[in-house]
Amino acid sequence: NAGVTQTPKFRVLKTGQSMTLLCAQDMNHEYMYWYRQDPGMGLRLIHYSVGEGTTAKGEVPDGYNVSRLKKQNFLLGLESAAPSQTSVYFCASSFDRPTILPQHFGDGTRLSIL
Amino acid sequence: DQQVKQNSPSLSVQEGRISILNCDYTNSMFDYFLWYKKYPAEGPTFLISISSIKDKNEDGRFTVFLNKSAKHLSLHIVPSQPGDSAVYFCAASAPGNQFYFGTGTSLTVIP
Repeated sequence: NAGVTQTPKFRVLKTGQSMTLLCAQDMNHEYMYWYRQDPGMGLRLIHYSVGEGTTAKGEVPDGYNVSRLKKQNFLLGLESAAPSQTSVYFCASSFDRPTILPQHFGDGTRLSIL
Repeated sequence: DQQVKQNSPSLSVQEGRISILNCDYTNSMFDYFLWYKKYPAEGPTFLISISSIKDKNEDGRFTVFLNKSAKHLSLHIVPSQPGDSAVYFCAASAPGNQFYFGTGTSLTVIP
């Protein structure tokens, strides 16, 4: 059972380039989330989805777009990468609201923007 | 502004002793709290949670205490083991789907 899988694990981009981070879960979870973790900031929610075809903004959504075309996948896109987006990105999923069932996290994607 | 704060970036404890990790929050609407544990190069894993209707929740060696009047949350680990060495994050949520995480406390349990 793979759980939550993030692709890629590492990536270096140049300013202005675009890329998509993929999150896949095999637990039939309805809820999926994208977080970023920066030194001294903890994890901050970027976007989340409460079901296939739905997305919503979190605490720090600017500069990112997301899509949830299939229940098992949640994509995070950077259209024009900026150095401020250098971070470790975590995807998480849960079967129900996190106040009922906890989130399961992937192992992270380390992204550097030069 | 950080709504959930963990003011101690690091903590060292001898094996077998108690570890106490603290967390403070500012939003009085928060009604659900969790602790996550994170090892290097891995994602956080859920440890224990507590609802605002309780002031204590216990799971084996882990106990979470909630003091709503002080807006303070603590995680007690007794006895501490070397395998507990990790970064611990507290998180809180108001009604809705969004969680706010603290900055983490790195716990080192010395054998």
